[in-house]
Amino acid sequence: DTEVTQTPKHLVMGMTNKKSLKCEQHMGHRAMYWYKQKAKKPPELMFVYSYEKLSINESVPSRFSPECPNSSLLNLHLHALQPEDSALYLCASSRVRGLQGYTFGSGTRLTVV
Amino acid sequence: KQEVTQIPAALSVPEGENLVLNCSFTDSAIYNLQWFRQDPGKGLTSLLLIQSSQREQTSGRLNASLDKSSGRSTLYIAASQPGDSATYLCALEDNTDKLIFGTGTRLQVFP
Repeated sequence: DTEVTQTPKHLVMGMTNKKSLKCEQHMGHRAMYWYKQKAKKPPELMFVYSYEKLSINESVPSRFSPECPNSSLLNLHLHALQPEDSALYLCASSRVRGLQGYTFGSGTRLTVV
Repeated sequence: KQEVTQIPAALSVPEGENLVLNCSFTDSAIYNLQWFRQDPGKGLTSLLLIQSSQREQTSGRLNASLDKSSGRSTLYIAASQPGDSATYLCALEDNTDKLIFGTGTRLQVFP
């Protein structure tokens, strides 16, 4: 298995809703990442988990809450989002220090109404 | 602070042309450089990975080179096809354990 699987592919949520994005990989990678991408811009790093511990938080608002239940799963819990949070959310994984590069999922297209 | 720039920002060419996409970076202390392709609204597909000790990598019609001393990488696409139309992103990993993306090149290949 050489894929990163993200669910759901599309999500529409209201500003008072709570939802979660899920990411799964079975490549034995011990680093997992969340990125946010706005239209026509490169992805922006949000969080890095290394060996299931949060190692980097790029000063993301607390309405985004990451969770890494085990080495294969990464969640992003969403609560009280704003319309400007609408974007493509990408999950990625790699071996630590990326000696074999990064593998990205197909993303979740999030719309906040 | 590492900055990664891609030139050109957009490119439109007829089918069959050979193309060169450029990526430049300001700090040569990198672990590797990776080229990705992204179709509209989709995730990133890895094309080529060049380790810091390597000079180039090839896959089919694609060839990527890396010159750390000058802070440059190029992606060469031979005999371009309409299916190559996408945004191409270079990204490098440095000692901050982060993947730093370039600004991207939007490529359109028309029949």
